[in-house]
Amino acid sequence: NAGVMQNPRHLVRRRGQEARLRCSPMKGHSHVYWYRQLPEEGLKFMVYLQKENIIDESGMPKERFSAEFPKEGPSILRIQQVVRGDSAAYFCASSPGTSIETQYFGPGTRLLVL
Amino acid sequence: GENVEQHPSTLSVQEGDSAVIKCTYSDSASNYFPWYKQELGKRPQLIIDIRSNVGEKKDQRIAVTLNKTAKHFSLHITETQPEDSAVYFCAAISNDYKLSFGAGTTVTVRA
Repeated sequence: NAGVMQNPRHLVRRRGQEARLRCSPMKGHSHVYWYRQLPEEGLKFMVYLQKENIIDESGMPKERFSAEFPKEGPSILRIQQVVRGDSAAYFCASSPGTSIETQYFGPGTRLLVL
Repeated sequence: GENVEQHPSTLSVQEGDSAVIKCTYSDSASNYFPWYKQELGKRPQLIIDIRSNVGEKKDQRIAVTLNKTAKHFSLHITETQPEDSAVYFCAAISNDYKLSFGAGTTVTVRA
């Protein structure tokens, strides 16, 4: 029973490049959440998605950030024209439809912007 | 929105002693309070949770208490062991899905 999968685990980008982070939820889970963790801080909510729908993106920066959860395939968090301040750990979590508050986290993608 | 505060930020205990971490929240509508343990470079792992209709919950050496009136909840770890060393995060949920996390407590268990 595989848990939440994320890839890549580590990503290095230069300023101005694009970063694509992928998340495959646990089997049977249809709800995906993305959180960002800055060094020595707690996790901050970014976006909540269900298949083909963005439910709540109130935690996402208005520019350069986008997220999707297509009918087929993983959820993707996309950061365009990265800046050094985007360097952080990005965690994906998933939950089943029957208990959306119980969220299980993936291993995270650590993004470093040079 | 929900605001969760967590204290202390660091906690050092002797092996075998107890550790207590306290959190407060602001949104009286919050009704689910999970605790996560995060080891260095690893994912946050759910270790225990409590819902608003319960005042206390225990799982072996870990217990959580909730005071809805005061908007406080606490994590208690008894008989601490070196493997309990990690960062612990409290959280509260609002809107049924949005987890708001505390800033974390770094727990160090001294052998």
